[in-house]
Amino acid sequence: QVQLVQSGAEVKKPGASVRISCKASGYTFTKYYIHWVRQAPGQGLEWMGIINPSAGDTNYAHRFQGGVTMTRDRSTNTVYMDLSSLTSEDTAVYYCARESPGHCTSTSCRYYFDYWGQGTLVTVSS
Amino acid sequence: DIQMTQSPSSLSVSVGDRVTITCRASQSISSHLNWYQQKPGKAPKVLIYAASSLQSGVPSRFSGSGSGTDFTLTISNLQPEDFATYYCQQSYSAPRWSFGQGTKLEIK
Repeated sequence: QVQLVQSGAEVKKPGASVRISCKASGYTFTKYYIHWVRQAPGQGLEWMGIINPSAGDTNYAHRFQGGVTMTRDRSTNTVYMDLSSLTSEDTAVYYCARESPGHCTSTSCRYYFDYWGQGTLVTVSS
Repeated sequence: DIQMTQSPSSLSVSVGDRVTITCRASQSISSHLNWYQQKPGKAPKVLIYAASSLQSGVPSRFSGSGSGTDFTLTISNLQPEDFATYYCQQSYSAPRWSFGQGTKLEIK
C-alpha cells in the first residue's frame, strides 16, 4: 500500500536549519511528484513547493524561495526539505503529499493530492 | 498567483443538516478544483477531485460542483464524523497550487 512516512518532530532555535524527510513506499517513486504543505498552529494549509523525484527539479512558492530547498534520494525513495534561517513564524506542521492524476481528458489531467505524510511538527523557540 | 476564497469561514450545523461550502477562484481554473477534509491532528484527506469526482471510499453524501471560478461542496445528511475543517485547492496553475483558507464545521 502507498505510504509516505515523515521524520519526527524537531525543536530548533531561531537562525538554525532543519531537514525533514518523507520516505515513500508502495509505488514507483519516480512516477509521482511530491509537494510540501505547511500548516501553522490554528491556521490553514499553505503550499510550499514541489519536487520531481525523477529529475530532481523543483518549484517553490514565492514566499519560500531562498529559505527552502527540496531534494530527493532515489536510492532510498526519500524526499527531503531543508528549511534555513528559522524564525518563530516557521513553527508549523509540515506535510509531504503525493500528486496524482485524477480525471484526464485528451489534453490534460486534473491533479490532486491522493496520499499525505503524517506531518512533522517543527517548533522554533529560543 | 491564483487566490482561492472560501465561504463561510465557519458554520454551526446539526447532524442531519445539508451543508454547502463555496469556493471562488480569482481567475478561471476550469475544473482543476479539489476538496479536502481535515480533522484535528490529522493530515488532510481528499473528498472530491476535478470539481465533481468522488474519491474512492468517500461516502456519497459528499458532492462537488462548479466550473470556472465558482465551486461548491455539499454534504447531505451531515454525520457526526463530518465535523472537521474543509479546504478547497486549485491545481490549475501547476506547479503552483493554492488552498482556500478553510471552512470549519462546528456542532450547533
